[in-house]
Amino acid sequence: DTAVSQTPKYLVTQMGNDKSIKCEQNLGHDTMYWYKQDSKKFLKIMFSYNNKELIINETVPNRFSPKSPDKAHLNLHINSLELGDSAVYFCASSQAIPSWEGPSSYEQYFGPGTRLTVT
Amino acid sequence: AQKITQTQPGMFVQEKEAVTLDCTYDTSDPSYGLFWYKQPSSGEMIFLIYQGSYDQQNATEGRYSLNFQKARKSANLVISASQLGDSAMYFCAMREVISSGSARQLTFGSGTQLTVLP
Repeated sequence: DTAVSQTPKYLVTQMGNDKSIKCEQNLGHDTMYWYKQDSKKFLKIMFSYNNKELIINETVPNRFSPKSPDKAHLNLHINSLELGDSAVYFCASSQAIPSWEGPSSYEQYFGPGTRLTVT
Repeated sequence: AQKITQTQPGMFVQEKEAVTLDCTYDTSDPSYGLFWYKQPSSGEMIFLIYQGSYDQQNATEGRYSLNFQKARKSANLVISASQLGDSAMYFCAMREVISSGSARQLTFGSGTQLTVLP
C-alpha cells in the first residue's frame, strides 16, 4: 500500500496558469509538509501543517498556498505560475511530536514527487 | 550561514568497499535530530538512519552507520560493503526543536551524489 501519494506525477503547464498538486497519506500522521527540489537537487521546506498550525517558509511566494480538506490530505495550489516554479515538489508526512519532547526519531515519509514544468 | 553542509558534491567508490559521506551542521539548539535520506535516480526519498543529539551511541542500520561527533558538529554516513544499488544522491538533514509546536521541519544539505563502480 502506498503510504504517501501525489498526483499528478508530471505536470506541464504554461506561465500564468493556476495549478494544484494533490497529496494524500494513509499513515495516520498528523503533520504534513511540502518541499521544493530545484534543478540542483536542493530540497527546501515550503510548508509544515498539522491540525493546529500552518508554518510557512518566509521565502515562499504567496502565490503558493496549501489547502487541507482533512488531516490525510494536503494539496498545494499555485497561482500565476512562473518559469522559476519549475521543480520537483515533494509532499511528506510524519507523526506529530509533542512540543515538550526533544528530538524525535519520527522520520518523514515522502511521496514520489511531482515534476512541474512551466513553459 | 548554512545549517547543513555536505562538502562532497560527488563521490566514487568501488563495489564492496566502504565509503564515508560527510555532513556538518550548525545549530545553537542543544536538542536536535539528524537524518540521512537516499534519493535514487527514480526520484523517491528513502529514509536511511537517524541520530539524536542526546544519543550516546552512534546509530547503525544494517550496512549504514552514522559517525556522530557532537563536539565537531559532524554526522557522517558510513556505508559498508557498497553495492551497485547504493548509487544515488544522499542527503543529510537536521530537525531542530522549534518553539512553534509539533510540525518539526527538516533542513536539508545540498546532497552528495554517490556512484558505486563495478
